[in-house]
Amino acid sequence: NAGVMQNPRHLVRRRGQEARLRCSPMKGHSHVYWYRQLPEEGLKFMVYLQKENIIDESGMPKERFSAEFPKEGPSILRIQQVVRGDSAAYFCASSPLGTTEAFFGQGTRLTVV
Amino acid sequence: KQEVTQIPAALSVPEGENLVLNCSFTDSAIYNLQWFRQDPGKGLTSLLLIQSSQREQTSGRLNASLDKSSGRSTLYIAASQPGDSATYLCAVRLKGGSEKLVFGKGTKLTVNP
Repeated sequence: NAGVMQNPRHLVRRRGQEARLRCSPMKGHSHVYWYRQLPEEGLKFMVYLQKENIIDESGMPKERFSAEFPKEGPSILRIQQVVRGDSAAYFCASSPLGTTEAFFGQGTRLTVV
Repeated sequence: KQEVTQIPAALSVPEGENLVLNCSFTDSAIYNLQWFRQDPGKGLTSLLLIQSSQREQTSGRLNASLDKSSGRSTLYIAASQPGDSATYLCAVRLKGGSEKLVFGKGTKLTVNP
């Protein structure tokens, strides 16, 4: 049973481009969370999804950011028109139920140049 | 609003020493508390999960305790080794709503040979 898979591991984008981050949860897990870790900061919640549903997006910036978890395929975190301040590590976590142990992926490190 | 604090922010100890990392949280309405380890540039590895009804969990040289009423948890590491050097993160899973994790900023541990 492979762990939570995130790709790419590293992503470099120029200002104004789009960034797409992918997360495949562990087999059997239907709950996906995205967190962001800014330099010298703790991990901050962004969004919580179940298959085809956004449950809580209270941590997502109102503009440029969106997330989806389709019936088939990985969860996608999309950042449009990236800016330097979007540079961070983005982590995905999955769990079989919302209240149980969370397992994290290796993260995607986004650098905006 | 739930806030999680970890003290100390950094700790340096000689190899073989027993040590305690502290975590405090402001709202006792939690499902569970989870301790993670993060190595530089890497993802999060789950160490121990304590349900709100439990007092402690043990895994090898690690022991985590939870006192929900006082909003405190400790992670005890016995006979520390250089390989234990990492950042240790504490996170509580909130009750109600999205059951998201709220993280502390971590304790950076260095074990010197």
